[in-house]
Amino acid sequence: SQQGEEDPQALSIQEGENATMNCSYKTSINNLQWYRQNSGRGLVHLILIRSNEREKHSGRLRVTLDTSKKSSSLLITASRAADTASYFCATDEGGSYIPTFGRGTSLIVHP
Amino acid sequence: DTAVSQTPKYLVTQMGNDKSIKCEQNLGHDTMYWYKQDSKKFLKIMFSYNNKELIINETVPNRFSPKSPDKAHLNLHINSLELGDSAVYFCASSQDWQGRAFFGQGTRLTVV
Repeated sequence: SQQGEEDPQALSIQEGENATMNCSYKTSINNLQWYRQNSGRGLVHLILIRSNEREKHSGRLRVTLDTSKKSSSLLITASRAADTASYFCATDEGGSYIPTFGRGTSLIVHP
Repeated sequence: DTAVSQTPKYLVTQMGNDKSIKCEQNLGHDTMYWYKQDSKKFLKIMFSYNNKELIINETVPNRFSPKSPDKAHLNLHINSLELGDSAVYFCASSQDWQGRAFFGQGTRLTVV
């Protein structure tokens, strides 16, 4: 069954702007991961955040996790045209540990 | 060297045929997965497997079967292909079921 749901489904911004994507899930999790997929390619792991963590950073990426609201956000600061891709969150459905993905957010960054 | 490799990258076949997609990982990971991505980019888990346990998504038709000759390989065999099987299939691996997953480049299957 589907676990994470990304929002918005599509996002179009100008280079230099920040991009925020959200992910909501239904059941308890052990961790939540964000992945990136360029057109026609496989998924690439960005960040993993554990259920006892609230925020993680990696370069221009910032991920937050609110387990009380069952939601996470991915912020990309100072976006670049090369950030154009689809972004997916993946959670491990309560107890199964299997990464389960949503439909993703399609991000377009205009130069 | 490619960490997770799938072959073929493209596969066009007729309805009713049987086909296999191969997947190999050279990362020494214990767990491998098969995902199906439809035209709306929804990624659905099909199978997850380590050397102890196979977990099957109950919504996957039994025409699909994973075959693992060894820890580094998890091939996907599909019998009696149908039009609705057309999608991109991704293989992935992780050290354990709680770790980050490494994905192959995908196999675009087109059933005509």
